[in-house]
Amino acid sequence: AQSVAQPEDQVNVAEGNPLTVKCTYSVSGNPYLFWYVQYPNRGLQFLLKYITGDNLVKGSYGFEAEFNKSQTSFHLKKPSALVSDSALYFCAVRDGSNYQLIWGAGTKLIIKP
Amino acid sequence: ETGVTQSPTHLIKTRGQQVTLRCSSQSGHNTVSWYQQALGQGPQFIFQYYREEENGRGNFPPRFSGLQFPNYSSELNVNALELDDSALYLCASSLVGSRTDTQYFGPGTRLTVL
Repeated sequence: AQSVAQPEDQVNVAEGNPLTVKCTYSVSGNPYLFWYVQYPNRGLQFLLKYITGDNLVKGSYGFEAEFNKSQTSFHLKKPSALVSDSALYFCAVRDGSNYQLIWGAGTKLIIKP
Repeated sequence: ETGVTQSPTHLIKTRGQQVTLRCSSQSGHNTVSWYQQALGQGPQFIFQYYREEENGRGNFPPRFSGLQFPNYSSELNVNALELDDSALYLCASSLVGSRTDTQYFGPGTRLTVL
């Protein structure tokens, strides 16, 4: 069965420091991996995705993610955090044979000035 | 902004009532997926509609039903509401079959069941 794990409920980072939000997955076929961000009382905003090709994927707002097949991970990263990056981040996966997204429980990112 | 719109924004119902939520997909998209997001949790897939047919369903009972219209907009209907149905309901549109098949979400409808 497909699954996604976000092992950290919350990540605290000082403004200007690099940030990492972790995601590991389990899927039977080739994984399609996604990161979304959710601000309070808002819907989900697409950040980036991995389908195939380069293991380092660049997305919106300076975010990037690294696909690691051997570790079945897709961690979200940003070199320098902004206070405005504070939000809830979700990792999602689907395999190539269907379009249903399976979601992690989310990680709350808090960037302190 | 994604171009996906949902109505209403908020809704309060009582147990046993029925509710209809609406979603307009982004221009050029042919598929709508519905998700339920309970407070403090990730979204749970309810179902997906493609070419006006249900194209996949998550672990939700039959009292959750949907429709997709020729213009690709969609409705989510929930009958016999229960307290646990209180959640944010998210609709996402996408273009099935494209290499860039990414789901784009609307702002959601907050349903409260009393």
